[in-house]
Amino acid sequence: DSGVTQTPKHLITATGQRVTLRCSPRSGDLSVYWYQQSLDQGLQFLIQYYNGEERAKGNILERFSAQQFPDLHSELNLSSLELGDSALYFCASSVGTRARETQYFGPGTRLLVL
Amino acid sequence: EDQVTQSPEALRLQEGESSSLNCSYTVSGLRGLFWYRQDPGKGPEFLFTLYSAGEEKEKERLKATLTKKESFLHITAPKPEDSATYLCAVQGRDSNYQLIWGAGTKLIIKP
Repeated sequence: DSGVTQTPKHLITATGQRVTLRCSPRSGDLSVYWYQQSLDQGLQFLIQYYNGEERAKGNILERFSAQQFPDLHSELNLSSLELGDSALYFCASSVGTRARETQYFGPGTRLLVL
Repeated sequence: EDQVTQSPEALRLQEGESSSLNCSYTVSGLRGLFWYRQDPGKGPEFLFTLYSAGEEKEKERLKATLTKKESFLHITAPKPEDSATYLCAVQGRDSNYQLIWGAGTKLIIKP
């Protein structure tokens, strides 16, 4: 158990809908990262937050947004969902933003868009 | 552009048959190379971080090594429970501390 929690574990929804994924980092970690993993693309970095502020952006679509709250939990919002958004979404956390920090991953949320 | 290539894509071994997985990388100023293990449908589990060429780290049946261009994950006398996908990621000087991930090697150990 990495100490990172994610809810829900599974999510089934329809195209055009909006969903929110939640992540709680390990105790003491200030950085939260979101990743998407689909069968044909591997792990894709979406976005990083550090202590409530956006720190870095990866391949995140405009339909997706995230935020980190004062209690350091984070939410990833996915809107206008398309079939291709079906994937595993992982949250990871690390202590801060320095180089060489280890990212610890949560169990993931499996999203299925029908 | 920073890049990570893992080979082979898949590897099937008999229990007890040792082998190695490869992670080749191109990065401007390596800060760290990370190995993770991922079971199907689960989150990646951290294994090792290597920082400089010549460094080696071991954990149970796994040993990771690093050169200036690649890293190897050696698996000695594997057991069926070692079956998983092994992911390699690098952090470079110019990557804003983000990790660049390889596609992984799927390891299957047959009893």
